[in-house]
Amino acid sequence: DVKVTQSSRYLVKRTGEKVFLECVQDMDHENMFWYRQDPGLGLRLIYFSYDVKMKEKGDIPEGYSVSREKKERFSLILESASTNQTSMYLCASSFGGSLETQYFGPGTRLLVL
Amino acid sequence: AQTVTQSQPEMSVQEAETVTLSCTYDTSESNYYLFWYKQPPSRQMILVIRQEAYKQQNATENRFSVNFQKAAKSFSLKISDSQLGDTAMYFCAFKNNDMRFGAGTRLTVKP
Repeated sequence: DVKVTQSSRYLVKRTGEKVFLECVQDMDHENMFWYRQDPGLGLRLIYFSYDVKMKEKGDIPEGYSVSREKKERFSLILESASTNQTSMYLCASSFGGSLETQYFGPGTRLLVL
Repeated sequence: AQTVTQSQPEMSVQEAETVTLSCTYDTSESNYYLFWYKQPPSRQMILVIRQEAYKQQNATENRFSVNFQKAAKSFSLKISDSQLGDTAMYFCAFKNNDMRFGAGTRLTVKP
């Protein structure tokens, strides 16, 4: 079974802090994704990566950056956390190819005070 | 831009009954993929079923089936013999180049 893990289930940070969210997958997937999930808005893509050291902006990249130094690990960075970044963050991974079933991690619920 | 609309924010169904969740999408593309994902309370999102747009036959996975109407741009999910474990948020998703998700439908199965 594919396993996607995220470093924290719950996180509380203060405004202005730098926040790191880690995601690891164990199935040698090429593609990795970061979404945020908010009630009534569904999932919105922040950043994605098709290969090591590659990154592409999604729909809402502002205030975020990412890092992919190893194939299995994709990190989301909030450079200076703000209260409007309070949300559920979901990581996903998939093989390359057209019919990409995305496999999701358990999510990190981030609260920025 | 492609959009995905789930018009039912919340639904409920009695155990053992059948329920249908609606999804419509907007695209000018002819080749794409459609997905239903399930997110149980405090648990990981998992794929329920997927459909390739070039296939006319509706996908089926055990108690889950879809009604794919390409001309109408509709992709509804039918859950037969609902079980308590089906209680979850259900997300419809469309994929051409990027994956687009709907806002979700919260389904509660009542005993």
